[in-house]
Amino acid sequence: GNSVTQMEGPVTLSEEAFLTINCTYTATGYPSLFWYVQYPGEGLQLLLKATKADDKGSNKGFEATYRKETTSFHLEKGSVQVSDSAVYFCALSGGYNKLIFGAGTRLAVHP
Amino acid sequence: NAGVTQTPKFQVLKTGQSMTLQCAQDMNHEYMSWYRQDPGMGLRLIHYSVGAGITDQGEVPNGYNVSRSTTEDFPLRLLSAAPSQTSVYFCASSYSGTGEYQAEAFFGQGTRLTVV
Repeated sequence: GNSVTQMEGPVTLSEEAFLTINCTYTATGYPSLFWYVQYPGEGLQLLLKATKADDKGSNKGFEATYRKETTSFHLEKGSVQVSDSAVYFCALSGGYNKLIFGAGTRLAVHP
Repeated sequence: NAGVTQTPKFQVLKTGQSMTLQCAQDMNHEYMSWYRQDPGMGLRLIHYSVGAGITDQGEVPNGYNVSRSTTEDFPLRLLSAAPSQTSVYFCASSYSGTGEYQAEAFFGQGTRLTVV
């Protein structure tokens, strides 16, 4: 069946450091891929998405590229800020917009 | 535009009690779904609906019921609460998308449920 595996956290970085959060998936067909972010005490918000192979999603300085050959959708940001501290979820859509999530990666950014 | 609204935000139940978590959206989305979030497990799908009158089970449906009588509302009922249902519950909605395009989901703020 479909599944998503993302790197375990927590990830602790200093402000302005480079961020990578790895995400790989297993799926039949060609699912859409998403990164959602959850700030403390809030629901999930869409960060970025990609709907087909080689698409690059980007938002707020974050980027991720849909790599079909490696079944990956790694999240990157060149320079993180304290305000980026949150939990990040990689997800794929399994039809009818049913989402299959990874376990989540907590990011803490220190000044 | 309120988006997806969940009530209550917090709830404590005793084992065996029943309750309904409310979810309403004002975006005229066809698809709605319920997830539970547990530490280290991400979010898991409980039930979903592709339109009024149509519901189906997700990954972890046992102990929960849903119905969808209107496009706007999608309540989740716990029939007889158990400690294993202690979790944070999220409702989400989305439009159907076009062809292979699968639309993003909009989430409510969540309901933190504790069963003692």
